[in-house]
Amino acid sequence: DGGITQSPKYLFRKEGQNVTLSCEQNLNHDAMYWYRQDPGQGLRLIYYSQIVNDFQKGDIAEGYSVSREKKESFPLTVTSAQKNPTAFYLCATQQGGTDTQYFGPGTRLTVL
Amino acid sequence: DAKTTQPTSMDCAEGRAANLPCNHSTISGNEYVYWYRQIHSQGPQYIIHGLKNNETNEMASLIITEDRKSSTLILPHATLRDTAVYYCIVRAGGGTSYGKLTFGQGTILTVHP
Repeated sequence: DGGITQSPKYLFRKEGQNVTLSCEQNLNHDAMYWYRQDPGQGLRLIYYSQIVNDFQKGDIAEGYSVSREKKESFPLTVTSAQKNPTAFYLCATQQGGTDTQYFGPGTRLTVL
Repeated sequence: DAKTTQPTSMDCAEGRAANLPCNHSTISGNEYVYWYRQIHSQGPQYIIHGLKNNETNEMASLIITEDRKSSTLILPHATLRDTAVYYCIVRAGGGTSYGKLTFGQGTILTVHP
């Protein structure tokens, strides 16, 4: 079992602190994505990575950073430079040669 | 990616078929129709996708009109657990489409007893 794991489900941080959200997959998918969802809003792309050691900015990359050192892992760091970090963060994967993205369960980040 | 139009909300009685429409009149020849749904506080769930032929899987059926300008997602026997926001997305195919999925506002489907 498994698929796409995001942990923790809920995360609380104080303003000014950096925080890293975990995304792990055992699907052997090549591409991984981070999206952000705000209440009543659609998904907005933060970063994505098609292969290990390479990633591209999405529409709202400012204040975020990522790494892709392993195929199965794509952690997202929310830095203190992100002005409104409280949101629902979603990780997705996509197998190379296909166009379907699969989503994890999400992490709800609340910055106090 | 082409823009899609969906009704804001729909209701369905438990056990009945739920038919969710989507208009995508500007769809291009190489673009597929995808359906996802999102249950409250969960990640979006892939349901089905198709190019021009009707498709069926264990979750749903997808009916695409001959001109491909619209489609209908059919949940044959809706249950309370099918209450969710349903998103119709048009996306280029061919196995080379990376980058963001554009989710619109979707249709809020409420299944009632």
